[in-house]
Amino acid sequence: DTAVSQTPKYLVTQMGNDKSIKCEQNLGHDTMYWYKQDSKKFLKIMFSYNNKELIINETVPNRFSPKSPDKAHLNLHINSLELGDSAVYFCASSQGQTNNEQFFGPGTRLTVL
Amino acid sequence: KQEVTQIPAALSVPEGENLVLNCSFTDSAIYNLQWFRQDPGKGLTSLLLIQSSQREQTSGRLNASLDKSSGRSTLYIAASQPGDSATYLCAVRPWTGTASKLTFGTGTRLQVTL
Repeated sequence: DTAVSQTPKYLVTQMGNDKSIKCEQNLGHDTMYWYKQDSKKFLKIMFSYNNKELIINETVPNRFSPKSPDKAHLNLHINSLELGDSAVYFCASSQGQTNNEQFFGPGTRLTVL
Repeated sequence: KQEVTQIPAALSVPEGENLVLNCSFTDSAIYNLQWFRQDPGKGLTSLLLIQSSQREQTSGRLNASLDKSSGRSTLYIAASQPGDSATYLCAVRPWTGTASKLTFGTGTRLQVTL
């Protein structure tokens, strides 16, 4: 199936731990994104990569470090997890940065205890 | 700073009704606007993308319009069905010279009852 996929779907962890979320797209897109959806269901962009280069970094704590090993993958590593990091994290991709649709993954629900 | 608002926040209609969801944005300098639906516990599904030069887009029972100068978009759903129940989100992409990002609205939670 052509899609944007994320792993894991659910992640429950203790405060202070380090965790990673992986994202892969097989749509042939050159731009990938990470969004955070908080408890009020508000979606906000965190990062965007185009051809493996960081192009958007929205005032996100440096505990969050995205890594793009190639155009089809954008992983999110989070250090020293805090309670406030609990949210649903969505990966998305598009062809180009501006006028094309963004396609979203199913989300990763992160719960920090 | 772009702000996107959706009204109403929640809507319940009986099956078969036609309905309109509203989206307004404060900065009219947008590149395009995209409508999504989000089912509970699921990701976002893109419904329609309207470029700033377009007035409307149609897909099946869905019709989205865009009035950029007044900062408004509507999503019209004809002959609603229970399967249309979901949260509908609009998102705008600003007109920038380089990278751009989607700013999402607050969403409208739609329930279509039998």
